[in-house]
Amino acid sequence: QQPVQSPQAVILREGEDAVINCSSSKALYSVHWYRQKHGEAPVFLMILLKGGEQKGHEKISASFNEKKQQSSLYLTASQLSYSGTYFCGTYSGAGSYQLTFGKGTKLSVIP
Amino acid sequence: DGGITQSPKYLFRKEGQNVTLSCEQNLNHDAMYWYRQDPGQGLRLIYYSQIVNDFQKGDIAEGYSVSREKKESFPLTVTSAQKNPTAFYLCASKTAGGGRGNQPQHFGDGTRLSIL
Repeated sequence: QQPVQSPQAVILREGEDAVINCSSSKALYSVHWYRQKHGEAPVFLMILLKGGEQKGHEKISASFNEKKQQSSLYLTASQLSYSGTYFCGTYSGAGSYQLTFGKGTKLSVIP
Repeated sequence: DGGITQSPKYLFRKEGQNVTLSCEQNLNHDAMYWYRQDPGQGLRLIYYSQIVNDFQKGDIAEGYSVSREKKESFPLTVTSAQKNPTAFYLCASKTAGGGRGNQPQHFGDGTRLSIL
């Protein structure tokens, strides 16, 4: 079942913060985050495994709440280079081979 | 440099024609995947393969076929049975190391398929 991402789109000015959420109705084993620029390949950002861990990559971090079956991606002090579409992908169990992606959140950072 | 190469970058299909999209990787990854991307739909899994000579259907396999004769190669054929093939097709691979969910997928640059 496809995870639900919110918001669908967001516009930020440089330096502003944003949060992108990813929710599932199924129990999650792990959550993967990717960013895709228009017409290009998705680029891997980070993986969160169940256990409520948080991870960070420069000014982008994420959390995973197992109980709520939800992950959030935090972008702080946004830069123009952060523009793109962000996708979460979820594995619903250790026995699952399939990474199921949400529909994406389009982030636009303007000067 | 290691990576995933998809070709061609753009492809046009005539009515009733089968076309094949190429995907080659030199990352020594065991698992390979094909996704279809339509505007506003995210990535949907067509087929995947965990090992040579074995593959499984994803969520939208109808009208597509694959083969996995070599570890490095996972070509996708869009058959004439696929009535709406216009989309952006992405190939991905990942190592089989560790648990199934704790390794990232690496993507190729995609093939954009259109109908003539």
